[in-house]
Amino acid sequence: GESVGLHLPTLSVQEGDNSIINCAYSNSASDYFIWYKQESGKGPQFIIDIRSNMDKRQGQRVTVLLNKTVKHLSLQIAATQPGDSAVYFCAETTNQGGKLIFGQGTELSVKP
Amino acid sequence: DSGVTQTPKHLITATGQRVTLRCSPRSGDLSVYWYQQSLDQGLQFLIQYYNGEERAKGNILERFSAQQFPDLHSELNLSSLELGDSALYFCASSPASSYNEQFFGPGTRLTVL
Repeated sequence: GESVGLHLPTLSVQEGDNSIINCAYSNSASDYFIWYKQESGKGPQFIIDIRSNMDKRQGQRVTVLLNKTVKHLSLQIAATQPGDSAVYFCAETTNQGGKLIFGQGTELSVKP
Repeated sequence: DSGVTQTPKHLITATGQRVTLRCSPRSGDLSVYWYQQSLDQGLQFLIQYYNGEERAKGNILERFSAQQFPDLHSELNLSSLELGDSALYFCASSPASSYNEQFFGPGTRLTVL
């Protein structure tokens, strides 16, 4: 498949380990923070979001943590699988609707 | 499969030309978004339409324009193309109730020679 070819930060983990992907966001006024996953040759895919008045939200095998004090967002993936290999983007938006501001992205590589 | 379709998948053209990228949103989604993904700028929001009307604008160049038609499909027009316009262009759609969960199409890879 195609790749964008960005020089992204990379995280390499062993299958079965937990992964933590970090993101620094820019706008204190953002109302929602979202994680997207982009596999090679595909468009981004929504994973999970969190409102600005929360500090933790859990989904299936994923947890998002929000620290507004230091404008930091993280995505934890439990028991990482080869299918989790992708580029992960954090994004932020406001209640005004729609416009997603994406971070740089982190490439996750899972070794079997 | 996100349910969002984009055509064409690949487009190769020359500088100075004009192209049109087409997007069909998921059934029932009223919002359509366009994003550009390039090597140096990452994923950037261009423009959003909601039920035929422009809702939000990002760093979209004046050479670029978009519209959403009554059947909710959208087109992104890129004119006076430059080498730097080479990128992946994604369309996304979302239901009115959830702007955060945007469903992205497979993208159109534009190469300007």
